[in-house]
Amino acid sequence: DQQVKQNSPSLSVQEGRISILNCDYTNSMFDYFLWYKKYPAEGPTFLISISSIKDKNEDGRFTVFLNKSAKHLSLHIVPSQPGDSAVYFCAASGYSGAGSYQLTFGKGTKLSVIP
Amino acid sequence: NAGVTQTPKFQVLKTGQSMTLQCAQDMNHNSMYWYRQDPGMGLRLIYYSASEGTTDKGEVPNGYNVSRLNKREFSLRLESAAPSQTSVYFCASSPLTGRETQYFGPGTRLLVL
Repeated sequence: DQQVKQNSPSLSVQEGRISILNCDYTNSMFDYFLWYKKYPAEGPTFLISISSIKDKNEDGRFTVFLNKSAKHLSLHIVPSQPGDSAVYFCAASGYSGAGSYQLTFGKGTKLSVIP
Repeated sequence: NAGVTQTPKFQVLKTGQSMTLQCAQDMNHNSMYWYRQDPGMGLRLIYYSASEGTTDKGEVPNGYNVSRLNKREFSLRLESAAPSQTSVYFCASSPLTGRETQYFGPGTRLLVL
């Protein structure tokens, strides 16, 4: 039972255009969402996050949108650059008891930005 | 400031062998985590330690044990390795509760024959 779903395993975008990566979740108790970027043979690196009290968060070329009623978030990259080619993981934070939280990850979307 | 470090980078085991994966962080974080990543599966939590002296099971704990040796170090042990444990293992840490950003190490690639 996947609680965080990234339904597109891969996405190809031309350099300079917008990349839109989507993520859906089922657990209404999730209240904090993150995007991680992963290059081959490296660990995931944090990209951007959003709290459930917001519907948008921007950081340079990266914007995350959250639609709580639809349990949907998306990551927009504008403009896309070849260096953005990586696997992007959506993650959701939920309370796991005793004051601690766990992250639940989606399966990832491989973004290829074509020069 | 190295962040999160993991050793070894790569290991080959035979079925039934044991080994310990080491993880250390120098960011003074309270919480530490072990994940595994399999093709097409994303990252799945094996065990975590919310603070020094505590450990808890994650989504896929069977076949693993952990030790939070001190605030810096969190090890993952495979007592009797199985081919199903072939995976890439990532250690992560976060400042306080885990609700904040988690910071990942570079990973250990494990092959069990």
